[in-house]
Amino acid sequence: GQQVMQIPQYQHVQEGEDFTTYCNSSTTLSNIQWYKQRPGGHPVFLIQLVKSGEVKKQKRLTFQFGEAKKNSSLHITATQTTDVGTYFCASSYSNAGKSTFGDGTTLTVKP
Amino acid sequence: NAGVTQTPKFQVLKTGQSMTLQCAQDMNHEYMSWYRQDPGMGLRLIHYSVGAGITDQGEVPNGYNVSRSTTEDFPLRLLSAAPSQTSVYFCATIGKREQYFGPGTRLTVT
Repeated sequence: GQQVMQIPQYQHVQEGEDFTTYCNSSTTLSNIQWYKQRPGGHPVFLIQLVKSGEVKKQKRLTFQFGEAKKNSSLHITATQTTDVGTYFCASSYSNAGKSTFGDGTTLTVKP
Repeated sequence: NAGVTQTPKFQVLKTGQSMTLQCAQDMNHEYMSWYRQDPGMGLRLIHYSVGAGITDQGEVPNGYNVSRSTTEDFPLRLLSAAPSQTSVYFCATIGKREQYFGPGTRLTVT
């Protein structure tokens, strides 16, 4: 089945610095989703990308889907302490009930 | 709307005991899934269902059973608990594009 690899596993930044996490697959993905999980919480959906080369923005967050639909990235500009948590990418199979999640990138922000 | 609810929030079991983790949703979604989350390993799919009466195995199904008699409920049964099943368990439904996760059940098997 589809597998998605996510890097880095951990990222520590000073408040105000930028942050990027990357998601890579050896196969073409039908879509990519991004989730955020706060410490002790549950994953919460951020966005879905489906088109080759797609770029979407949500305030300080920028999401990209690669031209070959094999990679994606999430970039946060000027991190804030509210950005702490683990960010996961995920991709669903043609059968929508089955999804594969990356192992996540855990972001800590030092004030 | 409560969304996705899970009970219990915490559970401690002894090796060999069985139990059922409950999951209920009020969003009328057909697709539901169970995941386990271990430190540093992300979310791994245990079982999923595409509708009432239909279930299928995910990535790590061994030691778990599911059934889906109604659209609303999707219980996960641990047949004979083992320490390796110590984890956080999340139930999720799938809407038009995203998954909605319940608050999770933290299970410890001693």
